[in-house]
Amino acid sequence: ELKVEQNPLFLSMQEGKNYTIYCNYSTTSDRLYWYRQDPGKSLESLFVLLSNGAVKQEGRLMASLDTKARLSTLHITAAVHDLSATYFCAVVLSNTGNQFYFGTGTSLTVIP
Amino acid sequence: DVKVTQSSRYLVKRTGEKVFLECVQDMDHENMFWYRQDPGLGLRLIYFSYDVKMKEKGDIPEGYSVSREKKERFSLILESASTNQTSMYLCASSVTGGPTYEQYFGPGTRLTVT
Repeated sequence: ELKVEQNPLFLSMQEGKNYTIYCNYSTTSDRLYWYRQDPGKSLESLFVLLSNGAVKQEGRLMASLDTKARLSTLHITAAVHDLSATYFCAVVLSNTGNQFYFGTGTSLTVIP
Repeated sequence: DVKVTQSSRYLVKRTGEKVFLECVQDMDHENMFWYRQDPGLGLRLIYFSYDVKMKEKGDIPEGYSVSREKKERFSLILESASTNQTSMYLCASSVTGGPTYEQYFGPGTRLTVT
């Protein structure tokens, strides 16, 4: 059974600080996704990472993938209040095609 | 833009009632999914469908069934609602294959069973 673990589950950070969210998964995957969910809203795609060493950046968020370590990170640089949301990673197993396995989510609160 | 819509944002039902949650996507996607989202548990897959009239069980199918009579519509059915089915239900759709296929989500239905 594929397990996807995120940590931390809850993160409270001050504006201007940096932090990293971690996503570990238990078996080989050929792609990894990061999603954002605002309170009361649905999930919005942030990044798709397709290969070992892949790095994607958008604004203050940067995601990376290490397939050998089965680890992805979402790094937040100089956090601002607008980044407050829940962040999910999801992996797709190579042999199941389209089935996504989601992590538990990280609830981020950025404090002014 | 891909649009995935769900029939209700909020729903309150009584224990034992039959509940239908509807999902419609407008991008001709082959695959459709139903998840439930609970605090601390992330998203768990209930059922998915990769073609009309086809369905596959996800991780937590017990107490649920699905129907896909048309490509754009995927329904989740709670045959006899129970209080432990109180949750947020999310529908998603995706294409099959391609370099960066992703799942597009609907706004969610918050179901309360009393």
